[in-house]
Amino acid sequence: KNEVEQSPQNLTAQEGEFITINCSYSVGISALHWLQQHPGGGIVSLFMLSSGKKKHGRLIATINIQEKHSSLHITASHPRDSAVYICAAPYSGGGADGLTFGKGTHLIIQP
Amino acid sequence: EAQVTQNPRYLITVTGKKLTVTCSQNMNHEYMSWYRQDPGLGLRQIYYSMNVEVTDKGDVPEGYKVSRKEKRNFPLILESPSPNQTSLYFCASSMMVAQPQHFGDGTRLSIL
Repeated sequence: KNEVEQSPQNLTAQEGEFITINCSYSVGISALHWLQQHPGGGIVSLFMLSSGKKKHGRLIATINIQEKHSSLHITASHPRDSAVYICAAPYSGGGADGLTFGKGTHLIIQP
Repeated sequence: EAQVTQNPRYLITVTGKKLTVTCSQNMNHEYMSWYRQDPGLGLRQIYYSMNVEVTDKGDVPEGYKVSRKEKRNFPLILESPSPNQTSLYFCASSMMVAQPQHFGDGTRLSIL
């Protein structure tokens, strides 16, 4: 079973700072998910990536398949970015099974 | 509007009283899944379904049942709920597991 580890667990930063959240997994995968959970509890999918880098607005996700590591970056952070960020990977690495999740990174951006 | 709809959003009930949490999606997605979220443990998968009539256990299936008789619906059944099933539950769907998932708004269950 894939083991997914995230760091840091908690992160408090000032508005405008560059943020990095890390995710490592133990079994080679077909795709890795990054999710955002708002303070109200709702979950949205930010990225699903299998190689290289993806960018959406101020959010950038990268993945290194060989090193089994992914990062989520936020540029010019803003208080509205405050949320829990969660990465998830397939159980056994393939595309035909369930997901296992990191415990999440609780991000607070102070004005 | 593309959405995943869970009902109820909140439920307080008692030990042993069977309950069903419904999940419906309108995106013709093949993959559907149930998760529970607990403080300190994060999200854990309960059951998932790759397609109609195909379901598989996730990390924590004990005490739960599911069915997938139609593509759009994936109900979660607690035959005899117990207090350790008090949790926040999410249903999600996607075209396949290696695609971005769409989540419902969550169901907060309290079992007394």
